[in-house]
Amino acid sequence: EIVLTQSPVTLSVSPGERATLSCGASQSVSTNLAWYQQKPGQAPRLLIYGASTRPTDIPARFSASGSGTEFTLTISSLQSDDFGLYYCHQYKEWPQTFGQGTKVEMK
Amino acid sequence: QVQLVQSGAELRTPGSSVKVSCQVSGGVVGTFSFSWVRQAPGQGLEWMGGLTPIFGVSHYAEKFRGRLTITADKSTHTTYMELTDLTSEDTAFYFCARGNWFEFWGQGSLVTVSS
Repeated sequence: EIVLTQSPVTLSVSPGERATLSCGASQSVSTNLAWYQQKPGQAPRLLIYGASTRPTDIPARFSASGSGTEFTLTISSLQSDDFGLYYCHQYKEWPQTFGQGTKVEMK
Repeated sequence: QVQLVQSGAELRTPGSSVKVSCQVSGGVVGTFSFSWVRQAPGQGLEWMGGLTPIFGVSHYAEKFRGRLTITADKSTHTTYMELTDLTSEDTAFYFCARGNWFEFWGQGSLVTVSS
């Protein structure tokens, strides 16, 4: 199975600052990668699919890039609502897999 | 608007089974694939398995193979996840999600395994 490794495990950021999260794949997933945000007690929320495509309801401060084995999610100016857990997910092949998550916390 | 509505919380004893449902409203089961994802307390997301109803093909993560069955009933727009031989390590929230990338999620169903 494809293993996704996210870094860092925890990211401490002040509101208004830029946050950069990484996701590495053990083998190429092309651009078959999604990013999700999760708040406590809630289902995850899709932020990005196709490695860089943002659904229409996701704010433009969220952007992502990458292909193959290296991916990045950037939050350009962190707002209070952006603190939480972030996961990457590959759907290139079965079994699908998730990264272990990055916690974005307030500095 | 598509909504995925899951069945309620379940309490099971070790060794028993649980079946969780996920009904789709505003959409059609059969057109998209569905996956089941679980999250143990304080842990990350774990993909368990998925089903493409239109092809009738299911795929499972290796660790669940043999005790996980995912099915769909196209007439009621519902997908099901059944997990057998439960242990305390299966205590978790179980989510259904639609598509290759998961734009739509169910609200989660808590399954507690305790003697």
